Amino acid sequence: EDQVTQSPEALRLQEGESSSLNCSYTVSGLRGLFWYRQDPGKGPEFLFTLYSAGEEKEKERLKATLTKKESFLHITAPKPEDSATYLCAAAGASNDYKLSFGAGTTVTVRA
Amino acid sequence: GAGVSQSPSNKVTEKGKDVELRCDPISGHTALYWYRQSLGQGLEFLIYFQGNSAPDKSGLPSDRFSAERTGGSVSTLTIQRTQQEDSAVYLCAGRGGQGRSGANVLTFGAGSRLTVL
Repeated sequence: EDQVTQSPEALRLQEGESSSLNCSYTVSGLRGLFWYRQDPGKGPEFLFTLYSAGEEKEKERLKATLTKKESFLHITAPKPEDSATYLCAAAGASNDYKLSFGAGTTVTVRA
Repeated sequence: GAGVSQSPSNKVTEKGKDVELRCDPISGHTALYWYRQSLGQGLEFLIYFQGNSAPDKSGLPSDRFSAERTGGSVSTLTIQRTQQEDSAVYLCAGRGGQGRSGANVLTFGAGSRLTVL
């Protein structure tokens, strides 16, 4: 069974204080590793897809990286508007139509 | 429509009552998913539709849960004889065309928050 674990559960940052979120996955035949952002009262919003170890994707202050066992979401010089819950999900070869989600990391950025 | 629409956005019901949650996906999204999100938990897969058929309903927690999709569009998730443990946010997502390596991006609605008293 595909498993995705995220850490830490919560992260409080000062504005401008860079940090990283971790996503560990156990998936047979990774077909894609996904990052989503979720704001309170809203559905998850797609950020990135990574397909193979060594791949990196960037969007504004966010950069996602992938190894064979983990993915990291780096937040560089965060702003208060980066406060959200960040969800990691993986799709494996046995059920590549279905995403298995981690519990998320809630990031709070203080001005 | 422009996005995935879910209704109601909030539903409070009494234990033992039946509820229906509706999802109206983006036009052309042939694949449709229902997930459940409980407080502090990750998204839990419930059911997957391809067109009007459901090749994977393995995540439905019990036979009190059912879902249907008509016209390759609107989907309804029905929970019969609701229990307090059914309280959660029920999220619907659609998927467009086939992506690289068969893995695709899901577009989510805002969810229906269900509270069972």
